[in-house]
Amino acid sequence: AQSVAQPEDQVNVAEGNPLTVKCTYSVSGNPYLFWYVQYPNRGLQFLLKYITGDNLVKGSYGFEAEFNKSQTSFHLKKPSALVSDSALYFCAVRLPSNTGKLIFGQGTTLQVKP
Amino acid sequence: GAVVSQHPSWVICKSGTSVKIECRSLDFQATTMFWYRQFPKQSLMLMATSNEGSKATYEQGVEKDKFLINHASLTLSTLTVTSAHPEDSSFYICSAPKTGGYQNTGELFFGEGSRLTVL
Repeated sequence: AQSVAQPEDQVNVAEGNPLTVKCTYSVSGNPYLFWYVQYPNRGLQFLLKYITGDNLVKGSYGFEAEFNKSQTSFHLKKPSALVSDSALYFCAVRLPSNTGKLIFGQGTTLQVKP
Repeated sequence: GAVVSQHPSWVICKSGTSVKIECRSLDFQATTMFWYRQFPKQSLMLMATSNEGSKATYEQGVEKDKFLINHASLTLSTLTVTSAHPEDSSFYICSAPKTGGYQNTGELFFGEGSRLTVL
């Protein structure tokens, strides 16, 4: 079955420190991978995506993610966390078929403390 | 600015009544829109795919008579929760692929969500 896993319910980091939010996937074929961020009672905002090409993808607000095919991972990273980065982060994968569905991970709450 | 607008943001209704939530694509046409449901501190569950001019495609376990979806134009999809009950209380989010990009990238733009509370 195709799935996306975010193994951590919550990640806590101090402001200024690097952060990593983990994501692994299980999809047949070549996946399209995404990261979205959600602030309380809001919709999702697109951060970045991997389709093909360079494994290191840079996105909005200083975030980046590295596609690792051998480890089937797509971890989200940022060199220096801000308190304003505190939010709920979702990893998602698009199915190779042309149905248009995104499968979301369960979400990871990022808490950045001053 | 927002490319997908959702209305209302908050709605409180009595049990047994019906509630309509609108999802509009701004400045682009969306032949397909997706409706998600999100429970507190949980991930998004895809409910259905809304197709302009045709019937919606519902995910397994989602009652199509309970959650009526209409996609009457290229910029508007509506979700109607019929005969709402407290267990229908949730955060409903719509999304749409921006024309021209979707088939290649799958990027979706999301509405701000609608918080439904059924008393």
